[in-house]
Amino acid sequence: AQKITQTQPGMFVQEKEAVTLDCTYDTSDPSYGLFWYKQPSSGEMIFLIYQGSYDQQNATEGRYSLNFQKARKSANLVISASQLGDSAMYFCAMREGDNFNKFYFGSGTKLNVKP
Amino acid sequence: DTAVSQTPKYLVTQMGNDKSIKCEQNLGHDTMYWYKQDSKKFLKIMFSYNNKELIINETVPNRFSPKSPDKAHLNLHINSLELGDSAVYFCASSQVWDSDSYEQYFGPGTRLTVT
Repeated sequence: AQKITQTQPGMFVQEKEAVTLDCTYDTSDPSYGLFWYKQPSSGEMIFLIYQGSYDQQNATEGRYSLNFQKARKSANLVISASQLGDSAMYFCAMREGDNFNKFYFGSGTKLNVKP
Repeated sequence: DTAVSQTPKYLVTQMGNDKSIKCEQNLGHDTMYWYKQDSKKFLKIMFSYNNKELIINETVPNRFSPKSPDKAHLNLHINSLELGDSAVYFCASSQVWDSDSYEQYFGPGTRLTVT
């Protein structure tokens, strides 16, 4: 089974609107971390946001928030007030357990923001 | 200042050659990684290196070898290059000791093309 599943290969959103990118994960370890990364067309990987499995509140970083639903094993990224510069690939990732070597990435979602 | 740097950014070479990619991080992190991103943008961890402990993903051919002269550097050597090695290779670093998240910071990537 895949550790991280992103079911939306591509999405469109109108500028200034909010968008949710889906991510589900699979682990039996009670301790884990969830991450979102952005990869613009220039190719670099940019860390956006982190959610720990024991964190009680959803993580937020500026216009990014992580909708963490532990029972459903989902960690959706919400981008509010989309900007043209948000057009990029977005990757969900998981660190499994407290292992520094067990990182798994999803297949990514390509987001296009329309003016 | 670049946090994680890689050289070269582009590498074009012929089958059978041996090549190296250099990676340096100035974040003071204690752990470094190498990832391979294939043409479908799928990102997979190849190596993790923490405090002289090297963990190798079992699917990585032994033609690939990481070398760490010190905590700030993790270079990737590839012997007998094959067409299937063409990909983008990312170096990353994270802080594991005394950290909850281990979030990774990525270098700009090296696009390797084997002809």
